[in-house]
Amino acid sequence: EDKVVQSPLSLVVHEGDTVTLNCSYEVTNFRSLLWYKQEKKAPTFLFMLTSSGIEKKSGRLSSILDKKELFSILNITATQTGDSAVYLCAVTFSGNTPLVFGKGTRLSVIA
Amino acid sequence: GAVVSQHPSRVICKSGTSVKIECRSLDFQATTMFWYRQFPKQSLMLMATSNEGSKATYEQGVEKDKFLINHASLTLSTLTVTSAHPEDSSFYICSARDYRAGNEKLFFGSGTQLSVL
Repeated sequence: EDKVVQSPLSLVVHEGDTVTLNCSYEVTNFRSLLWYKQEKKAPTFLFMLTSSGIEKKSGRLSSILDKKELFSILNITATQTGDSAVYLCAVTFSGNTPLVFGKGTRLSVIA
Repeated sequence: GAVVSQHPSRVICKSGTSVKIECRSLDFQATTMFWYRQFPKQSLMLMATSNEGSKATYEQGVEKDKFLINHASLTLSTLTVTSAHPEDSSFYICSARDYRAGNEKLFFGSGTQLSVL
């Protein structure tokens, strides 16, 4: 059975802290790994990772994939209260198949 | 970027009524759309895969007679919750993949919060 496991499930940090969110997977026919941020409504896309070792960066957020060890991390530096959300990791497969999501990490950034 | 529109955003209905949720891909054609359900503080759970012009594929444990899916065109899929009950109250989200220019990102609608009284 395909599995996507995120850790930690929840995290509380202070503004300015740096956080690392983890996502490991055990799937067949892996194609890519995606990170989403979900606040009150639908998830918004952050990154798509297909190749190992290549860091993707957007502002204070960055992510990298390790296809040998089957995991990805999402880093957020200098956190702000607006970063408070659930961060979802999902995996896609070959073909037009749906994503399999992890349970998410609920990040709370307090002032 | 690709846009997926979902309507309505919120529905409150009485037990026993049916509710239709629409999902449209606004600037691309989506032969396949996916319907997810999310309970409070839980992750997105796939309900079914909607295929244009053919029957939907339902995940194990999802009642196909209760959650009717119609994908009549390349830009529209609908999910109808028939004879809704309080336990059907949930957040429903549709999604579609835009394959233009090798883009395989999955885009989400804004979701529908269903509350059954």
